[in-house]
Parts: sequence; C-alpha cells; structure tokens
Amino acid sequence: DIQMTQSPSSLSASVGDRVTITCRASQGINNYLAWFQQKPGKAPKSLIYAASSLQSGVAPKFSGSGFGTEFTLTISSLQPEDFATYYCQQYKSYPWTFGQGTKVEIK
Amino acid sequence: QVQLQESGPGLVKPSETLSLTCSVSGGSISGYSWTWIRQPPGKGLEWIGHISYSGSTNYNPSLKSRVTISIDTSKNQFSLKLNSVAAADTAVYYCATLGGYYYYYMEVWGKGTTVTVSS
Repeated sequence: DIQMTQSPSSLSASVGDRVTITCRASQGINNYLAWFQQKPGKAPKSLIYAASSLQSGVAPKFSGSGFGTEFTLTISSLQPEDFATYYCQQYKSYPWTFGQGTKVEIK
Repeated sequence: QVQLQESGPGLVKPSETLSLTCSVSGGSISGYSWTWIRQPPGKGLEWIGHISYSGSTNYNPSLKSRVTISIDTSKNQFSLKLNSVAAADTAVYYCATLGGYYYYYMEVWGKGTTVTVSS
C-alpha cells in the first residue's frame, strides 16, 4: 500500500495567515492526489483533485501543487471558516489511502 | 448538483452483516462511479471500495473478503454490505460520487451515517 504522510499533524494560525500543509507519498503517484476539508461532526468536503485542480464551487484561496511524491495545500488567507482538519488522498493505485490529517486551529 | 444520503441500521450485532444504502438525488446513478469510505470515532478516513460505471468493483484488501458493493439502477441507489462485523467496524460510513475516468477521485460526499457494532 502507498503510505501518505502529512506534516504538520496540527498547526495554530491566525486569521489572515497563509498556511501550507505538506503531503508525502511513499512512492510516486504522478498527480493522482486529492485534498479534503473536514469540520467537526461533518462529512469531508472535496477541495482539490489531480493535485492542483479546484473542485467546482471551491474558493480560489485554496490551491494545490506537487507531482510524484511531494504535494502541498495552501490556504492564501486563513478565514474563520477554514479552521478544520485537512486530509490528502492518493488514487494512483489500490487501495486508495489517506494521510493522517492536519488539524488547523486558531492561534 | 447530485446529493447523496446514506441510510441503514445504526446498531449491528457482532458477527452479523452491516447493510447500508446510498440514495442518489439530483441525477442518475447510471453511467457514473461510486464509492464508500468510513471513519472510526476520533480517527482518520479509510477507503472501503468502489463500483465503476461499468459495474466493476475494487475493494480495500483489508476488507475484501467481507465487502460487497452493488448498484440498483431501478432505485437510483447503491449499497454496501459488510459481513462478520466486529467492534472495529464501528464508524461513520460515507458514500461519495467519483469523477474522472480510470483514475477516479471523490467529488460529492453524503452526510454520513453512524454504525455501532455492539451486542
């Protein structure tokens, strides 16, 4: 199985901050990577697919980049509604696997 | 936009079969691909399996011997069956739509349904 490792596991940030989350794959996955946002008690929401393509309706303050084994999710200016847990997921090979999550908290 | 709603028993006894349904509204289930994901309490996400538009399935090997995903086009819904459940199968179960072709990615998620395995 491909292991997905996110860093950091948690971070504290202020409203207006630029935030970057890293996701590393244990082997190359081309650009078959997705990002999700999950708020407490809610279902995950799809943000990005193919490493950098925004899902329909997702605010452009979210952006993704990367190829191969290293990927990033950036939130350009953190807003109160962005405090949540973020997951990456590879869909290059089965079984599809998720990172352990990065919790973004208010500083 | 398509909407999904999971349904099924909230409590299942150990060794029995967990059966969930995902009802699709706002679009046809035919011609698209669908997936199930679960999340144990306080933990991360685990992919269970998916069924493609052609009817082919792929399952997580960790669950493969116990899982079946199927589609009922007449009811515009797809289902998950997980047999011989144990406490470790207690989780929130989500269904989701898949975009893409050959390499599928999750798009729209249902709200999830909580399943507890307990006697």
